[in-house]
Amino acid sequence: GQSLEQPSEVTAVEGAIVQINCTYQTSGFYGLSWYQQHDGGAPTFLSYNALDGLEETGRFSSFLSRSDSYGYLLLQELQMKDSASYFCAQNTYNFNKFYFGSGTKLNVKP
Amino acid sequence: NAGVTQTPKFRVLKTGQSMTLLCAQDMNHEYMYWYRQDPGMGLRLIHYSVGEGTTAKGEVPDGYNVSRLKKQNFLLGLESAAPSQTSVYFCASTTDTNQETQYFGPGTRLLVL
Repeated sequence: GQSLEQPSEVTAVEGAIVQINCTYQTSGFYGLSWYQQHDGGAPTFLSYNALDGLEETGRFSSFLSRSDSYGYLLLQELQMKDSASYFCAQNTYNFNKFYFGSGTKLNVKP
Repeated sequence: NAGVTQTPKFRVLKTGQSMTLLCAQDMNHEYMYWYRQDPGMGLRLIHYSVGEGTTAKGEVPDGYNVSRLKKQNFLLGLESAAPSQTSVYFCASTTDTNQETQYFGPGTRLLVL
């Protein structure tokens, strides 16, 4: 199956900028997406990159480099409510199946 | 629109019991998925469906069966529950191939004793 690697945990202070990286091995995919999941909640969609480059959605941006097999999620002006787990995922050519990374727990401190 | 709903929200089973988890979506989506999520881990695909009457295996299908008799519903069955199936189960749907967003249900927490 697919293998997507993320750091397990990241800590940052309110107002700061944090980058969460995602590296992968498989190249056969439509795009790389990012999901946010608060404790006890369901994953919710944040951002998607079909092409290389940066996609900006408010305080969140996501980047993809297919040549480097790498992407990242950038969160700016961190707020306490951003404390959550963040997952990268690939949707593959095989019936649009999604494969998720193991997630990065972001702790935002005052 | 209710989006994606799941029933039940929480269930406790004894080893060997059976149960069915129901997922329903009102967005007319073709593709539906069942995932399990274990503590500290990402979501792993159990089974999926690309349309009414079709199902296929994902990464971790053993011990589970599914059915998609109606386009809006996707059922996940456990024939003989095992403690290893204690997990949170999420259903998701999307419109078609190469769609960027999956819409998730709220999850079902299952405890198998």
